[in-house]
Amino acid sequence: AQKVTQAQTEISVVEKEDVTLDCVYETRDTTYYLFWYKQPPSGELVFLIRRNSFDEQNEISGRYSWNFQKSTSSFNFTITASQVVDSAVYFCALRGGTYKYIFGTGTRLKVLA
Amino acid sequence: EAGVTQFPSHSVIEKGQTVTLRCDPISGHDNLYWYRRVMGKEIKFLLHFVKESKQDESGMPNNRFLAERTGGTYSTLKVQPAELEDSGVYFCASSQVPGQGTNTEAFFGQGTRLTVV
Repeated sequence: AQKVTQAQTEISVVEKEDVTLDCVYETRDTTYYLFWYKQPPSGELVFLIRRNSFDEQNEISGRYSWNFQKSTSSFNFTITASQVVDSAVYFCALRGGTYKYIFGTGTRLKVLA
Repeated sequence: EAGVTQFPSHSVIEKGQTVTLRCDPISGHDNLYWYRRVMGKEIKFLLHFVKESKQDESGMPNNRFLAERTGGTYSTLKVQPAELEDSGVYFCASSQVPGQGTNTEAFFGQGTRLTVV
């Protein structure tokens, strides 16, 4: 069975703080993809990153960074120096051998000015 | 290039009524998906079209839900008759068929928030 767990329901930080959103996944597929999506107040799901199961190299994009560790089945997302505009719901997702995405329940991030 | 667009953005209907949601995928994307998020829960898969064919409809909750994609372009999702538990946000997504040099991630629309009262 495939499953994505985002244990943090809601996180509040003060602007400029660093924040890490956790994602733990379960799959029996040897080839799979992991994703992060952002859902701002406007409602759409905005693609942030895709990582395949054979690439454990961490990635940094501006203030965003992702830490993929197969040993712990985790794909955590860190925002450095958070800003109010980062306030949103963030979803982690897994896609295995089919086109079906398995999403976590999302983490609501509130960045306070 | 236009993204995935969904209509309407919001819909409030009474229990027992019918509602039809529409999704226009990104041009050239053969894969089209419907997902639903019930308040506070995960986003759950409903079904997957490849062009006009239903590839996987294992997530459709019951026979009150009917999805179509005539001509392999836009898709509709009809709920008839609507029940209270159908309330949620319905997302549509589209993607290209994977191949050399193409991306396979799905691009999502802004969702349709359905409220059944």
